[in-house]
Amino acid sequence: GAGVSQSPSNKVTEKGKDVELRCDPISGHTALYWYRQSLGQGLEFLIYFQGNSAPDKSGLPSDRFSAERTGGSVSTLTIQRTQQEDSAVYLCASSLPGYQETQYFGPGTRLLVL
Amino acid sequence: AQSVAQPEDQVNVAEGNPLTVKCTYSVSGNPYLFWYVQYPNRGLQFLLKYITGDNLVKGSYGFEAEFNKSQTSFHLKKPSALVSDSALYFCAVRDMMKSTFGDGTTLTVKP
Repeated sequence: GAGVSQSPSNKVTEKGKDVELRCDPISGHTALYWYRQSLGQGLEFLIYFQGNSAPDKSGLPSDRFSAERTGGSVSTLTIQRTQQEDSAVYLCASSLPGYQETQYFGPGTRLLVL
Repeated sequence: AQSVAQPEDQVNVAEGNPLTVKCTYSVSGNPYLFWYVQYPNRGLQFLLKYITGDNLVKGSYGFEAEFNKSQTSFHLKKPSALVSDSALYFCAVRDMMKSTFGDGTTLTVKP
């Protein structure tokens, strides 16, 4: 079946503009995760959804970052007033519920803030 | 708090030789451990995981990993490396629904 999809694949924006990144999880996966991967770095956890609710928002780096999920499916990560340090690859993953379930990752959105 | 360490930024092996990519972890509860591989400009692909049971876990593409509770390690291994195994490898530990990833190890397999 179809994997996790993300759009856009690449986004170039100017400092101060808002951006929206979209994630389409695998059908039936109730858990959804957002991570950020900076150049040469590991993955930084941002936020996790179970259904439409986000029990853990601890990883969001500032109040400029927000995320929502509707219908238990598509999720949008919004970054307001982008800064150059926001430049990174934003990865989305989804899984079935449960601690031992495997997370399946999308290809990522490469964000460049000029 | 949980943590993962991948002590080697880079591992170089010759094709046909065995490879090991090291991972150690720290977690307060039962460790759920994962290995992922990332090819250039791609997302992460799942290789294998340890949840419980046999300490030797077999995964995709001929990879395996050995869970060692006393050494808190979960090293990734393959008996015979291929040039196509060259990629970035991540170890991750899961606590509740949050995963913590290591910084990654770049594996280069030379012909």
